[in-house]
Amino acid sequence: GAGVSQSPSNKVTEKGKDVELRCDPISGHTALYWYRQSLGQGLEFLIYFQGNSAPDKSGLPSDRFSAERTGGSVSTLTIQRTQQEDSAVYLCASGIRAGGSSYEQYFGPGTRLTVT
Amino acid sequence: KQEVTQIPAALSVPEGENLVLNCSFTDSAIYNLQWFRQDPGKGLTSLLLIQSSQREQTSGRLNASLDKSSGRSTLYIAASQPGDSATYLCAVRPHSGAGSYQLTFGKGTKLSVIP
Repeated sequence: GAGVSQSPSNKVTEKGKDVELRCDPISGHTALYWYRQSLGQGLEFLIYFQGNSAPDKSGLPSDRFSAERTGGSVSTLTIQRTQQEDSAVYLCASGIRAGGSSYEQYFGPGTRLTVT
Repeated sequence: KQEVTQIPAALSVPEGENLVLNCSFTDSAIYNLQWFRQDPGKGLTSLLLIQSSQREQTSGRLNASLDKSSGRSTLYIAASQPGDSATYLCAVRPHSGAGSYQLTFGKGTKLSVIP
């Protein structure tokens, strides 16, 4: 079946511009996660959506970052007034229960963002 | 705060060798541990997920073990092939509390299997 898809695959933007990154989760997955992978760093949690509950935004690095999930499906991560340190690969994952109450996460291919 | 360490950062082996990748974590109160593979320019592919109550999981040539009390996991790859070349990531999920769905990742081990 179809996996998690993300668009665009690559985005180059000028410092100060706003960008929107899109994630299409696996159909029927109620949990959706955004992570960031910077060069030489591990994956960093950004935000988590679960059903209709309020999202956990505790990982967002600044108020320039925001995300929404419409209709419990597609999610958009928005970065306003981009800075060079925002350059990274942004990964989206969706989740389904895997044994007990544990959610296994399935990742998309990522969006590589470069801020010049 | 949970920290996940993967050693070595990079590993190069000749084709056919068996190898072990190591992962350690500082807080043993985990719900599960997951091993992923990441190919250049691509997302993560889940390889194995071990629940905290389990000791190991196997899939084909891969075997992952978990020693929760000592904060360690290993990924064993048998009869390595050039197609196994990738970065291998270890991630743990906390047992409970706020953010118990967040995975904490190590920085990965970059594996190169030489034909």
